[in-house]
Amino acid sequence: AQRVTQPEKLLSVFKGAPVELKCNYSYSGSPELFWYVQYSRQRLQLLLRHISRESIKGFTADLNKGETSFHLKKPFAQEEDSAMYYCALGEYGNKLVFGAGTILRVKS
Amino acid sequence: DTAVSQTPKYLVTQMGNDKSIKCEQNLGHDTMYWYKQDSKKFLKIMFSYNNKELIINETVPNRFSPKSPDKAHLNLHINSLELGDSAVYFCASSLTGTGKTDTQYFGPGTRLTVL
Repeated sequence: AQRVTQPEKLLSVFKGAPVELKCNYSYSGSPELFWYVQYSRQRLQLLLRHISRESIKGFTADLNKGETSFHLKKPFAQEEDSAMYYCALGEYGNKLVFGAGTILRVKS
Repeated sequence: DTAVSQTPKYLVTQMGNDKSIKCEQNLGHDTMYWYKQDSKKFLKIMFSYNNKELIINETVPNRFSPKSPDKAHLNLHINSLELGDSAVYFCASSLTGTGKTDTQYFGPGTRLTVL
């Protein structure tokens, strides 16, 4: 059963518009959630993790245990945000279970 | 450069051949991983090694055999390649293999094409 769901394969927004990349998870226990990003021709890299409660490149994500969600948000999209975004669930043994990924396309 | 590196970057081969992909990290990490990214960009873990010991072994055909000569290297050997093995294979490493919160650092990927 899919434990991490990213319902949108592609999200296309205009520059300056708000962005919300959706992620839902299923996990019994205390979840550890991450967003990884892959820019064009670059390697996959960590964007942020919920335990840090930080904002990276203007992105934030709040863990909502009631809705089992960890949506990634940014108030004003920039063209350089265009990339593939993966939501991931951390399991014991440092195993990452990835969602299917969402391509974010920011148009000028 | 401090990073996770993989060789080769591209690998094109015939069905039935045996091939290896190499991974090295100079980050001083204890744990290394192999992931497979299919044509739909879905990423799935295959194996992880902590200090040369196999930790995670997902449901992967036994034609795939990881080998870790030391904690800085994790190679992936694939026997009797099949068309369905065509994918991008990513190596990654993390400081420890315990818990569930370590950041994983990824290599650039190896694009394997089986003809």
